[in-house]
Amino acid sequence: DAKTTQPPSMDCAEGRAANLPCNHSTISGNEYVYWYRQIHSQGPQYIIHGLKNNETNEMASLIITEDRKSSTLILPHATLRDTAVYYCIVRVPSSNTGKLIFGQGTTLQVKP
Amino acid sequence: DVKVTQSSRYLVKRTGEKVFLECVQDMDHENMFWYRQDPGLGLRLIYFSYDVKMKEKGDIPEGYSVSREKKERFSLILESASTNQTSMYLCASSLLGRQAYEQYFGPGTRLTVT
Repeated sequence: DAKTTQPPSMDCAEGRAANLPCNHSTISGNEYVYWYRQIHSQGPQYIIHGLKNNETNEMASLIITEDRKSSTLILPHATLRDTAVYYCIVRVPSSNTGKLIFGQGTTLQVKP
Repeated sequence: DVKVTQSSRYLVKRTGEKVFLECVQDMDHENMFWYRQDPGLGLRLIYFSYDVKMKEKGDIPEGYSVSREKKERFSLILESASTNQTSMYLCASSLLGRQAYEQYFGPGTRLTVT
């Protein structure tokens, strides 16, 4: 599985867009990019995933570069409740186990 | 909304006790997972199950067993609790195949073994 690199921490003003980058320069053609977050003292929460096209759902947008070596998770209007650790994961969805491996992630602090 | 519930948020047990952690999901998911999460070590898979009565070892199964008698319920058993099993335990569920990595987690059980 491709390794991912994320900045350890970021700040964002409440109401502004939060753009969280992830580098996955060794991603292979059949690997998807998944994003999760974990609010303090809660279980992780699935946010979004994508292969090569940009994706949007009710929580966030995922922008994947054309060469697929990096991606950005966008929270369009961050709120204080979006303060969490955000994890970028690269996996092949057809593999058997479904085992998730979280790296260190990015701690996003949304400030009033 | 997918809902995954765990039997306790906080649990304190003594060394040597048998501990049962229960997880229930209401979305008819085939896959269910037990992870533990420790500071500096991240998320580690203990066991998972892709069907009733089926189980597969994860990365750290030693000291644990599991039971899946019904599709919606997945239990983690600590046969004889030890202090190094003090941790946050997280249950998750998902559909099979291409959706296996879209996992829905419960709130976690923080277990302390004294």
